[in-house]
Amino acid sequence: NAGVMQNPRHLVRRRGQEARLRCSPMKGHSHVYWYRQLPEEGLKFMVYLQKENIIDESGMPKERFSAEFPKEGPSILRIQQVVRGDSAAYFCASSGAGKTDTQYFGPGTRLTVL
Amino acid sequence: SQQGEEDPQALSIQEGENATMNCSYKTSINNLQWYRQNSGRGLVHLILIRSNEREKHSGRLRVTLDTSKKSSSLLITASRAADTASYFCATDASPGNTPLVFGKGTRLSVIA
Repeated sequence: NAGVMQNPRHLVRRRGQEARLRCSPMKGHSHVYWYRQLPEEGLKFMVYLQKENIIDESGMPKERFSAEFPKEGPSILRIQQVVRGDSAAYFCASSGAGKTDTQYFGPGTRLTVL
Repeated sequence: SQQGEEDPQALSIQEGENATMNCSYKTSINNLQWYRQNSGRGLVHLILIRSNEREKHSGRLRVTLDTSKKSSSLLITASRAADTASYFCATDASPGNTPLVFGKGTRLSVIA
């Protein structure tokens, strides 16, 4: 009865490299959400996906960031050409129904850009 | 517009005391949720209260919601050192398909 899983837990990248963050939702959940958290801040919504569809990407930066949730496998948040300002904790959550349902969070991926 | 402003920003109490945290928001909501985050960890869902509910209990937690004042409070009774964490409220605005909006949180320290 695993919860939401994220990997890696910690990721270090140099400026200009790509970062790939993975999220496996809870069993039976088909709705995935990505959030970013800066130190001493709350979570900021980035993107909401269902299987093979992006439902809401209003919180995603227009450039360098992309997300997918394929039919098979985990959801991926990809950050291309990372910059120091991308350093943050990235959390994934999943729910069984739409966004009014309770969201269950993973442990997060802490990205550090050197 | 920003939702979910918690108050106070930080709270320090003795073990056994009650802790009260408040959350204010600006627009109509479908529901309001409270989460806990231990340092360096993910968020743990505590309780969800819907817009047509006024109070909800879960163990030592009591949540109230006043939609006329657009505010909610989280009360933790008989606090323990293990309750030390940051507590966030998150609002699900209505109508429409807007995402959850989190506040900056209240950092609670319970001293043994």
